[in-house]
Amino acid sequence: AQSVTQLGSHVSVSEGALVLLRCNYSSSVPPYLFWYVQYPNQGLQLLLKYTSAATLVKGINGFEAEFKKSETSFHLTKPSAHMSDAAEYFCAVSPGLSGGYQKVTFGTGTKLQVIP
Amino acid sequence: EAQVTQNPRYLITVTGKKLTVTCSQNMNHEYMSWYRQDPGLGLRQIYYSMNVEVTDKGDVPEGYKVSRKEKRNFPLILESPSPNQTSLYFCASSPSGPYSYEQYFGPGTRLTVT
Repeated sequence: AQSVTQLGSHVSVSEGALVLLRCNYSSSVPPYLFWYVQYPNQGLQLLLKYTSAATLVKGINGFEAEFKKSETSFHLTKPSAHMSDAAEYFCAVSPGLSGGYQKVTFGTGTKLQVIP
Repeated sequence: EAQVTQNPRYLITVTGKKLTVTCSQNMNHEYMSWYRQDPGLGLRQIYYSMNVEVTDKGDVPEGYKVSRKEKRNFPLILESPSPNQTSLYFCASSPSGPYSYEQYFGPGTRLTVT
């Protein structure tokens, strides 16, 4: 069984401030973890993924996330928010190579607002 | 251009009238999936397909059917739609392989059942 919890359905930051979006996961096997972004009226786009290589993962648009097994977390960060970062962000987990790897479970999403 | 397409993008229908939402990908991906997105619930997987003629249930399959007769197409069928199936639907595809779990999403289909 697997699940994802995203803390905070809405997060507001000032332009230029640190972005921190929280994701905690639960998985009975070593997981693969993903962050996706959804801009208004669009589909989801992959930001970054963790697949058991480096624990600090860098993605597109200056985002990065760190896999912390001891905390079962995969928080998304960006040092300086841009107005264009305003979107909804989804964390997702899959069982990885241990089987059933194509079953992906998504979190409920966090809407990021960037204040000028 | 590599893409996943869905049709229609918007659909308003009445309870009980069978409908099909088409999904097609041009990336030769083996894996395809359908999700529904509802406010506060995120994305929930309806069905997925590992390859042609291989499909399996996701987390919320009730009221839906799928088929995978060709690699590129994965239609979602609602035999008798009900108002609780009003939602935003996404189709996604991804290549097979241990390090290729990235999914490519279509633009979405907004379905309203009255």
